Amino acid sequence: DGGITQSPKYLFRKEGQNVTLSCEQNLNHDAMYWYRQDPGQGLRLIYYSQIVNDFQKGDIAEGYSVSREKKESFPLTVTSAQKNPTAFYLCASRIQGHNQPQHFGDGTRLSIL
Amino acid sequence: GQQVMQIPQYQHVQEGEDFTTYCNSSTTLSNIQWYKQRPGGHPVFLIQLVKSGEVKKQKRLTFQFGEAKKNSSLHITATQTTDVGTYFCAGPTGANNLFFGTGTRLTVIP
Repeated sequence: DGGITQSPKYLFRKEGQNVTLSCEQNLNHDAMYWYRQDPGQGLRLIYYSQIVNDFQKGDIAEGYSVSREKKESFPLTVTSAQKNPTAFYLCASRIQGHNQPQHFGDGTRLSIL
Repeated sequence: GQQVMQIPQYQHVQEGEDFTTYCNSSTTLSNIQWYKQRPGGHPVFLIQLVKSGEVKKQKRLTFQFGEAKKNSSLHITATQTTDVGTYFCAGPTGANNLFFGTGTRLTVIP
């Protein structure tokens, strides 16, 4: 969707390396989310943030970390503790409040070298 | 915990045939949203249903929310190749997030 930018589009990680995925939005949305999608699978929530300087673990947070220092930005770090990081990572944002749809970025494909 | 299952997981149809995907929640939902993800793309919001028994149409797509607000369906009439993709339903969680269903991957054979 327009307004949410994820970079890079493709990323390769070496063993024992931390990598950071960028997510920036100019929609003035309060809430931001990170999902992981494995081939042929649904979306699983990694972390979410409903307000600046605050974030919560999702269903599969182990091996990942995030920060929310600015409203527009919600970077995701895939740490070396994540043993199976190869996946498609999607960032989303939405206006705070129930019944609001989520808007997604184009995603980042992470692979292990 | 909350579960949202979709069936079928995969569906292949000839172009022009109809297609339906069903979404079933283990809990009552205050609303349900539907998203479409094209191959290689990202999910895009299609519609939201809020009322019990609600039916909404978008051209050839018909969305329905069950009376008990625990199930929903998406029906596509006379599929076209542009309908290819994975269709997800999603319901709200107690933490004001969305819980996505497992998805139905639609292939349309020309």
